[in-house]
Amino acid sequence: SQTIHQWPATLVQPVGSPLSLECTVEGTSNPNLYWYRQAAGRGLQLLFYSVGIGQISSEVPQNLSASRPQDRQFILSSKKLLLSDSGFYLCAWSPRAQGHFGSGTRLTVV
Amino acid sequence: AQSVTQLGSHVSVSEGALVLLRCNYSSSVPPYLFWYVQYPNQGLQLLLKYTSAATLVKGINGFEAEFKKSETSFHLTKPSAHMSDAAEYFCAVSGANFGNEKLTFGTGTRLTIIP
Repeated sequence: SQTIHQWPATLVQPVGSPLSLECTVEGTSNPNLYWYRQAAGRGLQLLFYSVGIGQISSEVPQNLSASRPQDRQFILSSKKLLLSDSGFYLCAWSPRAQGHFGSGTRLTVV
Repeated sequence: AQSVTQLGSHVSVSEGALVLLRCNYSSSVPPYLFWYVQYPNQGLQLLLKYTSAATLVKGINGFEAEFKKSETSFHLTKPSAHMSDAAEYFCAVSGANFGNEKLTFGTGTRLTIIP
């Protein structure tokens, strides 16, 4: 069966520090991968999606970037965090007809 | 382009009462529609999905939803609310065509169950 791993579960980072969140998928190959952010009191916003290694599409301009160095690995990064980057980040794979989500990372920028 | 509107950011129902969470969608292509549930500090769990088969879709935990094309709606219902149903619920839409697979979410509805 397919599983998706996301870490860390929680993270507190100072403004201006770098960020790296990792997501890996097991039990499937060449999945479509997605990063969503859920800000307090808001729905889920699609940040990035990837249909293959090295292929990244950005949905909204922002302070974040994404990379896909391996088929089943998706990384969300920032060089310098802003307060507005705080939120709950969710990784997902192959939402077509069914979305499989990771357990999320709660990021607080202080 | 696709969008989802969930009417009511907060809904409260008594235990044992009918649960009705509203979702209207907009899509320029035939849609796939989804309902997800999220418990505090957890990821999203799929409740049910509509993928152009039967318009009445049954999901987990006794939930069901009906796709009504004429009303562009996909409301979620459960005949009798249980305390464990308290959570946040998200409606989402994606395109049914290959290449339109991104999920677009509504802003969510927080369901509170009154004992």
